[in-house]
Amino acid sequence: GQQVMQIPQYQHVQEGEDFTTYCNSSTTLSNIQWYKQRPGGHPVFLIQLVKSGEVKKQKRLTFQFGEAKKNSSLHITATQTTDVGTYFCAGNDYKLSFGAGTTVTVRA
Amino acid sequence: DGGITQSPKYLFRKEGQNVTLSCEQNLNHDAMYWYRQDPGQGLRLIYYSQIVNDFQKGDIAEGYSVSREKKESFPLTVTSAQKNPTAFYLCASSPQGPGGQPQHFGDGTRLSIL
Repeated sequence: GQQVMQIPQYQHVQEGEDFTTYCNSSTTLSNIQWYKQRPGGHPVFLIQLVKSGEVKKQKRLTFQFGEAKKNSSLHITATQTTDVGTYFCAGNDYKLSFGAGTTVTVRA
Repeated sequence: DGGITQSPKYLFRKEGQNVTLSCEQNLNHDAMYWYRQDPGQGLRLIYYSQIVNDFQKGDIAEGYSVSREKKESFPLTVTSAQKNPTAFYLCASSPQGPGGQPQHFGDGTRLSIL
């Protein structure tokens, strides 16, 4: 069945630095979604990518969907303390499968 | 405000006891979902429903049961057959299911074994 792998599991970032989290699927996806879960909270939808090679930006966040529609990445520039949380990708072929998430902590 | 309401926030279960987690939405969404989240793991799908009076098993349905008698409500029962029920349970909904549209999540129920 479909599996979505996400790396790294943990990301410790100095405030102001950039980082990237990666998502890989064992199958070709029709689309991919990204969610953010703050500590003690619930996942909140960030964005959906549909087209091969698609790139979308939300302020300091850049989301990319691979050409083969089997991988995706989230790049955050100039990390802030508000970026703390766990970022999940969720790949969709016939149903949504969530990766294990990247938990981000920020050193001020 | 539209949203998803899960109750209770915290729940304790005794050995051999069934417990039911409530999920109500007023977003007029057709599809609803139940996920289980364990520390350091992603969300695993327990059950989902695309329409009233219909539901399908997810990846980890054993030991759980659901019903969908009303569009707004999708309760989850954790039965005594679920041997490791301690987890954070999240309910979600989307306009249609099961994929391709953003899912809206409730605040979750944290279940523990006494």
